[in-house]
Amino acid sequence: QSALTQPASVSGSPGQSITLSCTGTSSDIGGSIYVSWYQQHPGEVPQLMIYDVSNRPSGVSNRFSGAKSGNTASLTISGLQAEDEADYYCSSYTSSGTLVFGGGTKLTVL
Amino acid sequence: EVQLVQSGAEVKKPGESLKISCKGSGYSFASYWIGWVRQMPGKGLEWMGIIYPGDSDTRYSPSLQGQVTISVDKSISTAYLQWSSLKASDSAMYYCARRGNGVWTLDHWGQGALLTVSS
Repeated sequence: QSALTQPASVSGSPGQSITLSCTGTSSDIGGSIYVSWYQQHPGEVPQLMIYDVSNRPSGVSNRFSGAKSGNTASLTISGLQAEDEADYYCSSYTSSGTLVFGGGTKLTVL
Repeated sequence: EVQLVQSGAEVKKPGESLKISCKGSGYSFASYWIGWVRQMPGKGLEWMGIIYPGDSDTRYSPSLQGQVTISVDKSISTAYLQWSSLKASDSAMYYCARRGNGVWTLDHWGQGALLTVSS
């Protein structure tokens, strides 16, 4: 299985909305409702931000939202804040019964 | 409170064996899958495999199958990741994480265990 494809970096200014993409295939994102997004600050443990494409765990800000269209999932962060600067990883359940991560996107808040 | 507590950092030589652990508490350990995730220095997350403590059903990433062994001792609520012969390329941070109930997401993570393999 190949890693899901994410842009290496994305940047935005405080207050803006930005959207991170995650592209897979019909064997993973396209055929699964189990798409998740994780946030990882440098030196810290990854934190679940979105699961099942668009659900937020309790405690995660409603500025974070997820969606999926075909083989591409997306994470939108609205009202960008300095604390959102981090690496973001998508993951998907696959038709092989395994999980696969994306390569990660580094979000810079200008 | 759900907690996953991993064993500490390790420094090993190439060719040595190693078993690291992940102890769960605050929930019914046997009822939730435990996954392992690798993060090589400066790189992204890589899913290694997952085990169901209830019956030890295990799945591996195709790219890592045969290179590591995932096991569990549900009597002590502990999952393991094991190498029989370490390589320098195994140097990485290793996280265990709990799969959420009924969903394929990793909802709680251990603190990570740093492995350094060097001669």
